[in-house]
Amino acid sequence: GQQLNQSPQSMFIQEGEDVSMNCTSSSIFNTWLWYKQDPGEGPVLLIALYKAGELTSNGRLTAQFGITRKDSFLNISASIPSDVGIYFCAGLKYGNKLVFGAGTILRVKS
Amino acid sequence: ETGVTQSPTHLIKTRGQQVTLRCSSQSGHNTVSWYQQALGQGPQFIFQYYREEENGRGNFPPRFSGLQFPNYSSELNVNALELDDSALYLCASSLDGSYEQYFGPGTRLTVT
Repeated sequence: GQQLNQSPQSMFIQEGEDVSMNCTSSSIFNTWLWYKQDPGEGPVLLIALYKAGELTSNGRLTAQFGITRKDSFLNISASIPSDVGIYFCAGLKYGNKLVFGAGTILRVKS
Repeated sequence: ETGVTQSPTHLIKTRGQQVTLRCSSQSGHNTVSWYQQALGQGPQFIFQYYREEENGRGNFPPRFSGLQFPNYSSELNVNALELDDSALYLCASSLDGSYEQYFGPGTRLTVT
């Protein structure tokens, strides 16, 4: 089963608003990745985080690796209609097994 | 640079049958991982292949098996299909030493 808890499960926001979502775990991860998946497509890598406390941006997206190494956050500024989709966090403890959360569904009202 | 490709895009099989799914890794990537994504859930790790050997496995039974070829492409084989095997099967490639995995579009398998 899933070891990562993503919240919120879904959100419906106004275009132009900022969005925040997070991912928590009871155990420590060494790497956090954030992906976006559109219907009928595979997940697309948005941001990778490698160090506790790290803050990384990719355009309007900003993600942070939590200090405790048990959580991560993703923020989207000034949302637009194409931000619609499912956002997944994924954690890596060691080796190669990525563990995914259940996703946050983002719907934007234009 | 060519991205990850998968074939077929859709497949319908009957319970008890066997299926083979194919994946070509992104140009230059030598490591391939396979994931199963059930409807409404995140992907679950099946296994990874590196240098034509299985390099880690998730909680999936032995009827899930794979291969990697010298050109780094890979196959996922599932024997004795069950109804619960219906899912989107995703392949992801990465470079040895990198944790960043890049996904293909997936193969949608329906077992009836």
